Amino acid sequence: QVHLVESGGGVVQPGRSLRLSCGASGFPFRNYGMHWVRQAPGKGLEWVAIIWYDGSKKYYADSVKGRFTISRDNSKNTLSLQMNSLRAEDTAVYYCVPTGHAPDWYYFDNWGQGTLVTVSS
Amino acid sequence: QTVVTQEPSFSVSPGGTVTLTCGLSSGSVSTKYYPSWYQQTPGQAPRTLIYSTTTRSSGVPDRFSGSIVGNKAALTITGAQADDESDYYCVLYMGSGIWVFGGGTKLTVL
Repeated sequence: QVHLVESGGGVVQPGRSLRLSCGASGFPFRNYGMHWVRQAPGKGLEWVAIIWYDGSKKYYADSVKGRFTISRDNSKNTLSLQMNSLRAEDTAVYYCVPTGHAPDWYYFDNWGQGTLVTVSS
Repeated sequence: QTVVTQEPSFSVSPGGTVTLTCGLSSGSVSTKYYPSWYQQTPGQAPRTLIYSTTTRSSGVPDRFSGSIVGNKAALTITGAQADDESDYYCVLYMGSGIWVFGGGTKLTVL
């Protein structure tokens, strides 16, 4: 059974940094791309970033490009999101989500409970 | 800036059929966008319903179906039940490693 546990959220001041982690189990983590998706309070879902299964490619939404960095450690089944220069509009629940299984990998399969990031002074 | 459009809200009677749509601010949605659909109830994580336009995720009842209708992706719920009252999101793969979610549709069953 797929299990995803996001951690690292909390309250942070604008302009500061925060690092999120996601521990994965129950599936062959190293074979799957991984997304970060976020949801601001009372708002819809927003795709944030993806990292290829082997870490070779990374893509970002325009809203976070240049400020956020996605990474993974396949030896530890862990996904990370380094968030710098945080803004109030980055306040959201952040979900780590595996891609679908090949060849239908273009979707989001199995969602954890997310971790809340609040950017406020 | 590409915008993925969804109806902000929709209502359906219990037992009725409803079709929610997912379009583009410019252009038509086709299978090449690999549309997928997600259901979310308040305070819960999303649940995957449909992927690659028409494929139901494991455990999703067959009263949920996906298709292309005209120039949009569509999610049809046949025989709506009270616990279908949720927010529904579509997402499109735009190519080049980029995905875009629609704004979501709040479905009321009454």
